[in-house]
Amino acid sequence: QIQLVESGGDLVKPGGSLRLSCVASGFTFSDYYMSWVRQTPGKGLEWLAYITGTHHNTYYADSVKGRFTVSRDNAKNSLFLEMNNLRAEDTAVYYCARDVSMTLDVWGKGTTVTVSS
Amino acid sequence: EIVLTQSPTTLSVSPGERVTLSCRASQSVSGDLAWYHQKPGQSPRLLIYGASTRATGVPTRFSGSGSGTEFALTINTLQSDDFGVYYCQQYNNWPPMYTFGQGTNLKIK
Repeated sequence: QIQLVESGGDLVKPGGSLRLSCVASGFTFSDYYMSWVRQTPGKGLEWLAYITGTHHNTYYADSVKGRFTVSRDNAKNSLFLEMNNLRAEDTAVYYCARDVSMTLDVWGKGTTVTVSS
Repeated sequence: EIVLTQSPTTLSVSPGERVTLSCRASQSVSGDLAWYHQKPGQSPRLLIYGASTRATGVPTRFSGSGSGTEFALTINTLQSDDFGVYYCQQYNNWPPMYTFGQGTNLKIK
């Protein structure tokens, strides 16, 4: 069964850092690009970052460039999102998603990040 | 940045009816458009990619059309499982810069 499971969401103070993880199962993880997407009631769905499968090339939305870093460990079927200098507007549900030709065909259930003092 | 505008924002429809949702792009995205469905408390599910190709396992009552800046998702014979929010997404950028529409909330009448 193809599955993505995110973890690491938490309550963090403004300016703080957090690392999200996403573990994949049921498919050959290294064959696929992966993306992170977040969702807020106010801004809807927002794509954040993308990493290629083998060469680990990365791309970011302007809103998180320089603050967020996407990485992966293919040996552990794991995807990560390192988030620094967090702001209140980063409060959201964060999803990892399998990226096939730039469409997102498998999504995890999400993990919640709350940035508040 | 390419902006996607979905209409209507909210739609109330009875089961068994046919409905068409619209997605308009601020500039041409060719056929690089996908549709997703999200039910409350769940993550989005891919329905359509390439503007008109159904994803694996998607029922044939879902169909996508359009190219350039105007796109539509049509659902024939609505079922109770079809209610929720529908999003379009474009992927016509390089380097990648995906954008989503704001969603259409399909409600039971």
